[in-house]
Amino acid sequence: QVQLVESGGGVVQPGRSLTLSCAASGFTFSAFGMHWVRQTPGRGLQWVADISSDGARKFYAPSLKGRFTISRDNSENMLYLRMDSLRDEDTAVYYCAKDASWIIDQWGQGTLVTVSS
Amino acid sequence: QSVVTQPPSASGTPGQTITISCSGSSSNIGRNIVNWYQQIPGTAPKLLIYGNNQRPSGVPDRFSVSKSGTSAYLAISGLQSEDESDYYCATWDDSLKGWLFGGGTTLTVL
Repeated sequence: QVQLVESGGGVVQPGRSLTLSCAASGFTFSAFGMHWVRQTPGRGLQWVADISSDGARKFYAPSLKGRFTISRDNSENMLYLRMDSLRDEDTAVYYCAKDASWIIDQWGQGTLVTVSS
Repeated sequence: QSVVTQPPSASGTPGQTITISCSGSSSNIGRNIVNWYQQIPGTAPKLLIYGNNQRPSGVPDRFSVSKSGTSAYLAISGLQSEDESDYYCATWDDSLKGWLFGGGTTLTVL
């Protein structure tokens, strides 16, 4: 069965960088686009970014473009999210999720990022 | 601030049918499919229903969707206590070139 396991979350100071990872298994990773979605208590779910199966196309939430970078390593079945210049409002649970042709269909358990001094 | 709007809460009694709305615009719901997710607080969202009433394995047909113009609707018939959860709609926005989630609706079964 599909498994998506996020890691790399933690407490980070404002202005610093952090990279999240997602280990995928149970499906042919290189055949599917992938997403990052975050969730805060006050603002619900927010789509962050997605990447095509071959990594050639990337889309970002307009408010995050320029600070966040999505990437993947199909040889290792890994998805990444690099977050730069972190702000308090980036505090959230970050989910890795699988795409299935205009459907975000499978989600990981999430990793908590807390931006705080 | 989300441009796809859901009522923050809904409620019903066991056996009742309730409907949750998801309102958007011509650049999102008006031209793209809407997917719905169920989330038990503290756990990851789970795909509940997508496209034209397609349900992943294990989702009962008590859950159904419809769409009219720039709004989509999730209907739950034969309401059960286990349906208490948060429900989110999601759709692609052609103008933003990104996915939009509704703000979520917390369903209470009285």
